[in-house]
Amino acid sequence: EDQVTQSPEALRLQEGESSSLNCSYTVSGLRGLFWYRQDPGKGPEFLFTLYSAGEEKEKERLKATLTKKESFLHITAPKPEDSATYLCAVHPFTRQLTFGSGTQLTVLP
Amino acid sequence: DAGVTQSPTHLIKTRGQQVTLRCSPISGHKSVSWYQQVLGQGPQFIFQYYEKEERGRGNFPDRFSARQFPNYSSELNVNALLLGDSALYLCASSLGTGDYGYTFGSGTRLTVV
Repeated sequence: EDQVTQSPEALRLQEGESSSLNCSYTVSGLRGLFWYRQDPGKGPEFLFTLYSAGEEKEKERLKATLTKKESFLHITAPKPEDSATYLCAVHPFTRQLTFGSGTQLTVLP
Repeated sequence: DAGVTQSPTHLIKTRGQQVTLRCSPISGHKSVSWYQQVLGQGPQFIFQYYEKEERGRGNFPDRFSARQFPNYSSELNVNALLLGDSALYLCASSLGTGDYGYTFGSGTRLTVV
């Protein structure tokens, strides 16, 4: 069974204080790993797809990395507008997306 | 370009009633997936449809059903509503069922009282 565990559940940062979010997964046959951002009452907004171990992708203050068992979302010098829930999901070859429970990030000014 | 549109945005139903949720995918996208997200959890897969055919079903009871129309829009039906069905119902569209990104709508907030 596919499993995705995200940590921490909640994270409070001061503006400018860099940190990382973790996504640990077990899946047989990974097609891709997705990161999404979700604001309260809204649908998830696509950030990145990673396909193979060692791959990295960046977008503004966010950088996602992938190993065979984990993915990290690094946030450099965050701003209050980065406050949201960040979701990780795995997409196996023969099944649908399985999401983690998310990390709720709060960036204080 | 319009994104994924879902209707209604909010809905309140009574236990035992039936509900229909609607989704229009991004133009050119032929696959629609439905997810249920309860408060504090990640979305959980319910159904995927591609070219009007069911391509996947999650671990949900038979009270949940869906269909896709020739224009690729989709409906999710839930019968005999339970309090536990209260959640945000999300629709995601993609080009196909393979290695494609999924774009989510803003969801329908269903409250069962």
